[in-house]
Amino acid sequence: ELKVEQNPLFLSMQEGKNYTIYCNYSTTSDRLYWYRQDPGKSLESLFVLLSNGAVKQEGRLMASLDTKARLSTLHITAAVHDLSATYFCAVDKGGNQFYFGTGTSLTVIP
Amino acid sequence: NAGVTQTPKFQVLKTGQSMTLQCAQDMNHNSMYWYRQDPGMGLRLIYYSASEGTTDKGEVPNGYNVSRLNKREFSLRLESAAPSQTSVYFCASSEWGQGIAKNIQYFGAGTRLSVL
Repeated sequence: ELKVEQNPLFLSMQEGKNYTIYCNYSTTSDRLYWYRQDPGKSLESLFVLLSNGAVKQEGRLMASLDTKARLSTLHITAAVHDLSATYFCAVDKGGNQFYFGTGTSLTVIP
Repeated sequence: NAGVTQTPKFQVLKTGQSMTLQCAQDMNHNSMYWYRQDPGMGLRLIYYSASEGTTDKGEVPNGYNVSRLNKREFSLRLESAAPSQTSVYFCASSEWGQGIAKNIQYFGAGTRLSVL
């Protein structure tokens, strides 16, 4: 069974600071996804990483993938309150079998 | 364009009762999914359907049945609800299988189910 681990589980950071969320997965996978979930809401796609060394950036978020280390990172630059949410990474095995991490609950405080 | 629509949004059941969660998508996607979300455990795949007429088990299928009624609709049935099935259920759809390299899923708003 494929396992996906995220850390930290909870993150409280001050506005303007930088931080990184880590996502490790246990077996090879073709695709790595990052999703965002606001409290009481559904999930929204942020990034899809398809190959080793892939890097995607959107605003203050940047995601990267190292398939050899089975590691993806989500880097937050100069955090703002609007980034407060839960962030999930996920991998798929064979296309439709998805495995999600436990999520990282991010709170950005003034 | 509504995307993925789930009904109901909230439901309370007694142990042993049955119910069906409905899901419909209007994006002409081939693939549809049912997940449950529990605190501290992320999302876990219950069942998925790669195309109309096919369904496959995910990580946690026990206690559930599904039906892919047509390309748009994918329902999840609890035949005899148990307190362990108290959760938030999400339906999702994606273009996987339509020549797309990325399997981005689009999620519904969720159904909050309590089994007493």
